[in-house]
Amino acid sequence: NAGVTQTPKFQVLKTGQSMTLQCAQDMNHNSMYWYRQDPGMGLRLIYYSASEGTTDKGEVPNGYNVSRLNKREFSLRLESAAPSQTSVYFCASSALNNEQFFGPGTRLTVL
Amino acid sequence: GEDVEQSLFLSVREGDSSVINCTYTDSSSTYLYWYKQEPGAGLQLLTYIFSNMDMKQDQRLTVLLNKKDKHLSLRIADTQTGDSAIYFCAEIAGGSYIPTFGRGTSLIVHP
Repeated sequence: NAGVTQTPKFQVLKTGQSMTLQCAQDMNHNSMYWYRQDPGMGLRLIYYSASEGTTDKGEVPNGYNVSRLNKREFSLRLESAAPSQTSVYFCASSALNNEQFFGPGTRLTVL
Repeated sequence: GEDVEQSLFLSVREGDSSVINCTYTDSSSTYLYWYKQEPGAGLQLLTYIFSNMDMKQDQRLTVLLNKKDKHLSLRIADTQTGDSAIYFCAEIAGGSYIPTFGRGTSLIVHP
């Protein structure tokens, strides 16, 4: 039981490049989330998916898109990366009591 | 909207007790959580408390909830250097999929 996995662990992009962050969970959770973490800002919700087939914007969705490919997988896409998107990105899924299980994070630098 | 506030830093001596405080504004909060984030890792749930409870104890951890003042605390007894981490308070209202996180308290344990 791997929990929540994320790939890649590290990524460096140039301004304007695109990339997709992958996330998968093997706990049969319905809800999945993408957060970004910046120093002094805590966690900010980018997008979430309450169940397979649905996605909704969070607090900071601009510049991002998501796909809930199936119940296990929830990907985050940056179409045209900007330096302001330099951050650590966490994927999470939640159980029935709303406890969140987090992946190890993707550290993204945009030059 | 909902808000969760925490102090940013706490420094304690090894062997002492640590108390990390959190205040929240949403009176409809159903679950309140404490997460721990070690350097370079994602958040992991430490403990949680239902809003109809006043206290929960789990080994070295004691959670106190004052619903009237909307105040949550986490006490770590006999604090060890391995407890050095960032601690996040979070709350969620009944029927919601979206937890609200505080900005995290960095706990520094020195010998």
